[in-house]
Amino acid sequence: GDSVTQMEGPVTLSEEAFLTINCTYTATGYPSLFWYVQYPGEGLQLLLKATKADDKGSNKGFEATYRKETTSFHLEKGSVQVSDSAVYFCAFEYSSASKIIFGSGTRLSIRP
Amino acid sequence: DTGVSQDPRHKITKRGQNVTFRCDPISEHNRLYWYRQTLGQGPEFLTYFQNEAQLEKSRLLSDRFSAERPKGSFSTLEIQRTEQGDSAMYLCASSLDGLAGKQETQYFGPGTRLLVL
Repeated sequence: GDSVTQMEGPVTLSEEAFLTINCTYTATGYPSLFWYVQYPGEGLQLLLKATKADDKGSNKGFEATYRKETTSFHLEKGSVQVSDSAVYFCAFEYSSASKIIFGSGTRLSIRP
Repeated sequence: DTGVSQDPRHKITKRGQNVTFRCDPISEHNRLYWYRQTLGQGPEFLTYFQNEAQLEKSRLLSDRFSAERPKGSFSTLEIQRTEQGDSAMYLCASSLDGLAGKQETQYFGPGTRLLVL
C-alpha cells in the first residue's frame, strides 16, 4: 500500500554541515511530493514541494528533487544552521485524492 | 489571513469521557481535513470535508469518532467514551479546491493535544 519511508533520527550535525535526509515512497502513479517541517512548539509547515518527475522544490536553502525512477525525494541543505533544528516529514498526495501520506519524521538537531 | 486555528490546544480527560475539538480553517478555504499524530509518528489522515459534505473517512475513524462541518466553515471532532489509545495530537488542515479540481496546499493548525488518563 501507499507509504513513505524516511531516514530514522535523530540526526545531529554541527552548524554549517551538509544535510541529507533520505526519503522514498511507495505509490501508484505520480503523486505530488512534499517536505513538511515542525519546529519546536509550532504546527506543521510546508517546506517545499514538487509536482512532477525531475522537478526540484526549494525553500530556505533546502532542496529536493522528484526522482521517479528511484521513487525518492531526498532533502538536502548545503550549510545547516541551529535554527534548522526541527522534525522533518516527507509526504505525498495524489492529485485526485485529498489525504496526505506522511512518513514518520526525522528529528534534526544542529549543534552550534 | 489568520491561519488555521484549533481549540483547545490541550485537553486532559478521564477514560470514558467525551471530548470535542474545534477547528477554524482559513477563510474561503472550502476543504477541511482532520489528522491524528501519535508520538514519534507522522500525521495520519482521519477525514475531510468539501464545504459541509464529509467526503472521505479513514478506517482509523471508529464509531466513537464523529466530525461535522455544519455550515461549511468551522468543524468539530468529537470522541465519545475516550480510551487511553486516543491520546494523540489532533491536527486540522484546510485548503482551497481550485479550478478544475486542482489541489492546493494544505495549511495546518497548531493541533489539539489530547491526553486520556
